[in-house]
Amino acid sequence: DTGVSQNPRHKITKRGQNVTFRCDPISEHNRLYWYRQTLGQGPEFLTYFQNEAQLEKSRLLSDRFSAERPKGSFSTLEIQRTEQGDSAMYLCASSLGMGAFFGQGTRLTVV
Amino acid sequence: DQQVKQNSPSLSVQEGRISILNCDYTNSMFDYFLWYKKYPAEGPTFLISISSIKDKNEDGRFTVFLNKSAKHLSLHIVPSQPGDSAVYFCAASGKTSYDKVIFGPGTSLSVIP
Repeated sequence: DTGVSQNPRHKITKRGQNVTFRCDPISEHNRLYWYRQTLGQGPEFLTYFQNEAQLEKSRLLSDRFSAERPKGSFSTLEIQRTEQGDSAMYLCASSLGMGAFFGQGTRLTVV
Repeated sequence: DQQVKQNSPSLSVQEGRISILNCDYTNSMFDYFLWYKKYPAEGPTFLISISSIKDKNEDGRFTVFLNKSAKHLSLHIVPSQPGDSAVYFCAASGKTSYDKVIFGPGTSLSVIP
């Protein structure tokens, strides 16, 4: 296991299109987090799962955003009707206890 | 309202000297504090953590100090090395390490050879 894996690494999309990102956590980790990071800011919490249950969603996560973790393993984050303001790095992290381990992120650019 | 603050966006230190990165927080419910390091084009990497029941935690060249009454923590790196040049994020979470982690805006450290 090489750690948290995110795909794709980069995504360029036209405004109004839907995009979906995938995160494969470290296999034994039951907690999975999604964060968003924009330039000059720290990662902002979006949502997290314990196993397949989505335990908390930030108010940053508008109704255009949806996240799933259907079998408690990998997770997807979908953004519908993308807007230019959605351009950011989307980070996934997983955890079993102390500290969360991050993937390399998916860089989304909405043009 | 930013719950975790890092008031220095950047810091430059000579190789071999001490780097001190500071962090302040506002939420007294935070119980667990972490430092992450981030290189460009990579995700943040967990560095060191401290529970609120302690005031110091040391791991090699890295030491984190917590002053709970002042709601302040700091990361000391000694001696600093050029490979330490990165963005450092201070982060905090609730009663257990399982709670969501709230990040500060980061401090960019440059260690000059």
